[in-house]
Amino acid sequence: EDQVTQSPEALRLQEGESSSLNCSYTVSGLRGLFWYRQDPGKGPEFLFTLYSAGEEKEKERLKATLTKKESFLHITAPKPEDSATYLCAVLIQGAQKLVFGQGTRLTINP
Amino acid sequence: DSGVTQTPKHLITATGQRVTLRCSPRSGDLSVYWYQQSLDQGLQFLIQYYNGEERAKGNILERFSAQQFPDLHSELNLSSLELGDSALYFCASSAGNTIYFGEGSWLTVV
Repeated sequence: EDQVTQSPEALRLQEGESSSLNCSYTVSGLRGLFWYRQDPGKGPEFLFTLYSAGEEKEKERLKATLTKKESFLHITAPKPEDSATYLCAVLIQGAQKLVFGQGTRLTINP
Repeated sequence: DSGVTQTPKHLITATGQRVTLRCSPRSGDLSVYWYQQSLDQGLQFLIQYYNGEERAKGNILERFSAQQFPDLHSELNLSSLELGDSALYFCASSAGNTIYFGEGSWLTVV
């Protein structure tokens, strides 16, 4: 069964304290791995798509990386406005749906 | 702003009733997806349409149905509502592999 697991469930950091979020996946065939940011009561906001192992994408303080079994979202020197739930999802070959992990709730304290 | 528009934003209705949620995809996007997000389940794929035809089906209850019209907007119909149907319902659209989400329709069943 296709599965996406994110860890940790919740993470609290001080402003400026860098860290990484993990997304591990078990799928029959990967077409792409997606990272989204979701604020409370809002829709997921697209951040990155990664297609192959070794690929990296960056946007401001965020960098996403991909291996054959997992992806990391690195956050460097975060600010309070980076507080949100970060969702990882995989698009499976032969299917047309995103399978989401449960998300990591990130809180950045000033 | 993702370009995906959903109405209504909030809806409160009684058990046993029927509601319709509406979605306008991004301009030019042929694929429309519906997802349900509840507190304990995360984002669950319901159904996908491509240019008016059903393309993929997920964990959609028989009490729920959807359609995509010639102008590409989509509607999700929820009937015989139960308390457990209370959730955020998201519509998303795509032209390629990247899927963009709307802001959601918050359904509360009382």
